[in-house]
Amino acid sequence: AQSVSQHNHHVILSEAASLELGCNYSYGGTVNLFWYVQYPGQHLQLLLKYFSGDPLVKGIKGFEAEFIKSKFSFNLRKPSVQWSDTAEYFCAVKTYYTGGGNKLTFGTGTQLKVEL
Amino acid sequence: DAGVIQSPRHEVTEMGQEVTLRCKPISGHNSLFWYRQTMMRGLELLIYFNNNVPIDDSGMPEDRFSAKMPNASFSTLKIQPSEPRDSAVYFCASSLTEYGYTFGSGTRLTVV
Repeated sequence: AQSVSQHNHHVILSEAASLELGCNYSYGGTVNLFWYVQYPGQHLQLLLKYFSGDPLVKGIKGFEAEFIKSKFSFNLRKPSVQWSDTAEYFCAVKTYYTGGGNKLTFGTGTQLKVEL
Repeated sequence: DAGVIQSPRHEVTEMGQEVTLRCKPISGHNSLFWYRQTMMRGLELLIYFNNNVPIDDSGMPEDRFSAKMPNASFSTLKIQPSEPRDSAVYFCASSLTEYGYTFGSGTRLTVV
């Protein structure tokens, strides 16, 4: 079965520090990859997605992610974090059913706290 | 577009009672998903509908859980009888096949 691993469960950074959150997936075929963010008390919102093409994907709020097929990885990065980036971040992979349709499998999430 | 609408936002119920969670997907989306979020298990897919038909219910914990999608604009997730271990945030999401999901605001369920 498809699985998604996020290596860091809790990350604490100071404002302006650089961020990199790790994500690895297990599926060997064609994958669609996503990063979602969940601000405190809110629902999940899409940060960015990768379907094909340029493996360096840029998303909202200055986030980007790099798809490295040989490493089965899709790490999230931001050069300089802000206090407002405090949230939980989820990596997800979309897999397809043989008969049609798809589902998202999520990692366990990384809780990011940015301190002033 | 109002997004995915879930109700209620919060539900507190006593063990043994029936609980019904509701979801209105985005108009035109052909897929609907119910997820459960807990601290221990993260986000788990409970059930997936495509064009109103249940495609994958392998994530439904047990027979106490049931989900329906009578039409393209409405879905319910029912727990009967509810137990304290069902306490979680339940999210509904909808999508068009080739794109990301749009999540609702979730229902925070507490079973006491």
